[in-house]
Amino acid sequence: GAVVSQHPSRVICKSGTSVKIECRSLDFQATTMFWYRQFPKQSLMLMATSNEGSKATYEQGVEKDKFLINHASLTLSTLTVTSAHPEDSSFYICSARWDPYYGYTFGSGTRLTVV
Amino acid sequence: RKEVEQDPGPFNVPEGATVAFNCTYSNSASQSFFWYRQDCRKEPKLLMSVYSSGNEDGRFTAQLNRASQYISLLIRDSKLSDSATYLCVVNPGNTGKLIFGQGTTLQVKP
Repeated sequence: GAVVSQHPSRVICKSGTSVKIECRSLDFQATTMFWYRQFPKQSLMLMATSNEGSKATYEQGVEKDKFLINHASLTLSTLTVTSAHPEDSSFYICSARWDPYYGYTFGSGTRLTVV
Repeated sequence: RKEVEQDPGPFNVPEGATVAFNCTYSNSASQSFFWYRQDCRKEPKLLMSVYSSGNEDGRFTAQLNRASQYISLLIRDSKLSDSATYLCVVNPGNTGKLIFGQGTTLQVKP
């Protein structure tokens, strides 16, 4: 149980285009999802907290107009990287908490390459 | 100072060895603690939660010292399949956010 499905797993796009990444909780309701980014040989950095039915909360230094988050239902959150640039190339991972004691479950990640 | 600090390693150990990883965190109000395992180019997977009394799961033992703000992970009888990056993760409050350490890379060799 507690599966989060993330798509696509890998995407290559041209500079200036937008990319949408989806995360779905398959067997539980996720009122809150978290979006992380991980650059090579670095740790996961929280970008934003996605709340169902309300605006996302962004971490300091993350441009909310560039990284659009929509959490329209209890099972789906999307991250759209708008006007992507090569420096946006990274590993993007979503996460949701399914139990307060046993931690969080993560999507399988999306490797974005902007050329 | 980073909120969660780990020695990035790498730790190169032979099969069967015992290896310990340490982690410190800066927020004394942190409420829950975890060790995650991340394989190359994959998502993190929960290895174990860490409790104040210490806890063990097979070959893995986790300890928490709140006074020193220190977390440890001990792996006994290392297997080749233990090779991965081990992430120390802290939940600093009730927001649900997780703060990740840089990770410690373990390479178990035959």
